[in-house]
Amino acid sequence: QKEVEQNSGPLSVPEGAIASLNCTYSDRGSQSFFWYRQYSGKSPELIMFIYSNGDKEDGRFTAQLNKASQYVSLLIRDSQPSDSATYLCAVESGGYQKVTFGTGTKLQVIP
Amino acid sequence: SAVISQKPSRDICQRGTSLTIQCQVDSQVTMMFWYRQQPGQSLTLIATANQGSEATYESGFVIDKFPISRPNLTFSTLTVSNMSPEDSSIYLCSVERAGANTGELFFGEGSRLTVL
Repeated sequence: QKEVEQNSGPLSVPEGAIASLNCTYSDRGSQSFFWYRQYSGKSPELIMFIYSNGDKEDGRFTAQLNKASQYVSLLIRDSQPSDSATYLCAVESGGYQKVTFGTGTKLQVIP
Repeated sequence: SAVISQKPSRDICQRGTSLTIQCQVDSQVTMMFWYRQQPGQSLTLIATANQGSEATYESGFVIDKFPISRPNLTFSTLTVSNMSPEDSSIYLCSVERAGANTGELFFGEGSRLTVL
């Protein structure tokens, strides 16, 4: 059973639209949640992290966390072609200092 | 942010040989992490390397196959031993952001290995 699940996509959205990326996790003890962006042929880059239930906004990005539902999402407003990448959800397993990554959702922003 | 340099960036290797990947960080860090990303897959943690102690390996990874060195606080190596085509992958070195919680990671550029 996968510990962190994401839809592999591709998720295609038109330029200027809102892209919504979703992730579920199995470890109820998880406390820290991360979104990484990975361009093709490049290494992952941390773009958002969230530790508390609710929303966290940073520019065009909003991370949403619902621990009761074991669900974390990333919203990208005003999507740009430069946002086209694979987005990896990562979850820290409570107390183990271990981060588990999902398989990623490929986002395509169509000009 | 940390600057992480990995060498080699890519290599083509023959079955049965071994290859050592080097990771250099521009600041002193306690833990360094080695990940593998197989084609079309996500990142899988191989081991955590602490300076001055044995590396801690994740389930499914063993020291004989992936020996790790950590001679100081800025450098680590990962060796992929007795390679087979199944070892073809991108290997990534990673460190945590200073003062941050677990999971806020910086990654090196990766080392793409192809085993024939």
